[in-house]
Amino acid sequence: AQSVTQLGSHVSVSEGALVLLRCNYSSSVPPYLFWYVQYPNQGLQLLLKYTSAATLVKGINGFEAEFKKSETSFHLTKPSAHMSDAAEYFCAVSDRGGGFKTIFGAGTRLFVKA
Amino acid sequence: EADIYQTPRYLVIGTGKKITLECSQTMGHDKMYWYQQDPGMELHLIHYSYGVNSTEKGDLSSESTVSRIRTEHFPLTLESARPSHTSQYLCASQRDTAGEQYFGPGTRLTVT
Repeated sequence: AQSVTQLGSHVSVSEGALVLLRCNYSSSVPPYLFWYVQYPNQGLQLLLKYTSAATLVKGINGFEAEFKKSETSFHLTKPSAHMSDAAEYFCAVSDRGGGFKTIFGAGTRLFVKA
Repeated sequence: EADIYQTPRYLVIGTGKKITLECSQTMGHDKMYWYQQDPGMELHLIHYSYGVNSTEKGDLSSESTVSRIRTEHFPLTLESARPSHTSQYLCASQRDTAGEQYFGPGTRLTVT
């Protein structure tokens, strides 16, 4: 059965520092992987998605993620954090084995310090 | 930009009242979902639909009901609201099974 684990419920970085949000998945078949961002009092918005094309995926707002099959990971990175990046981030997985049902991680709250 | 709408955005209501949370999308997506989310917490799938006249319960047991009479409309109804229903409710739609979900802005419900 597919599952997704986000390591760290809270991550704090200084403005200008590297952002690294970790996501590991479990899937018996090639998965589709997603990162979403949620700002306060809003719904989720897609940041980027992996659908078996290039393993390095670029998204909006300078974020990118790399699919590593050997590590079953899909970590989200951004070279330089901005105050506006402070939000909740959700990793999600779906695959054919799970009937393409989307499973969301528990979320990681990113804090950006001035 | 995705076109999915939820009304009301905020609702405060007394115990025992019947309420309907509205969700509409203009993208023609067959798949629609309702999630319950407490502030800063994970999403819990409570209902989903894969098309008109198709509705299923999700992973989290919910006392709410849904209907799907039209492709664009997926309302959620609570027959008798209770304080335990206080939460944020997010509606989403999806074009195809391998694609991303598009989320509405959410309805924050408080039951007093």
